[in-house]
Amino acid sequence: GENVEQHPSTLSVQEGDSAVIKCTYSDSASNYFPWYKQELGKRPQLIIDIRSNVGEKKDQRIAVTLNKTAKHFSLHITETQPEDSAVYFCAASRGSLQGAQKLVFGQGTRLTINP
Amino acid sequence: DGGITQSPKYLFRKEGQNVTLSCEQNLNHDAMYWYRQDPGQGLRLIYYSQIVNDFQKGDIAEGYSVSREKKESFPLTVTSAQKNPTAFYLCASSPSQGGELFFGEGSRLTVL
Repeated sequence: GENVEQHPSTLSVQEGDSAVIKCTYSDSASNYFPWYKQELGKRPQLIIDIRSNVGEKKDQRIAVTLNKTAKHFSLHITETQPEDSAVYFCAASRGSLQGAQKLVFGQGTRLTINP
Repeated sequence: DGGITQSPKYLFRKEGQNVTLSCEQNLNHDAMYWYRQDPGQGLRLIYYSQIVNDFQKGDIAEGYSVSREKKESFPLTVTSAQKNPTAFYLCASSPSQGGELFFGEGSRLTVL
């Protein structure tokens, strides 16, 4: 089955700097890669996702890149702000456009933004 | 107010007792899921259901059971066979066309 590895487990950056979190996956048939953000004491929420037919996707200060050959994908956050402090999870699945998404999650990265 | 409601938020049980966690959604989603969250291990899939009266085992189903008698409801029972039940449990749902998972606020189970 699918296995997703996420690094680093903790990351501390200065406010205004960029943060990068990386994930690798094992199943070459995986084609859907979302990122979820979980603030302290709150539920995980989707922040961005990418499908395997594109290599990069951006949404304001966040971007995700995908390298299918190497089977890894990364989350990039630019101009970090205190509200970016949270735990971030990557995930992968053989997602179809119908039915349940059997997502396999990475172990999570605790991002801390220092003022 | 649309969303997913999990209850109870906190639950304490003695070892050997079964316990049922409730999950209700009013998003009209077909698919529902149960995940377990442990520190440093991310979210691991316990069970999922694509439609009413159908459900599939996830990666860590041993010691758990579910039912899906109504579209809105997907309760999880943690049985006495689950060797390490103390954890944070998250329920989620997604629309039939796939994509985003919408999570509940979670239930923290502590077995004494």
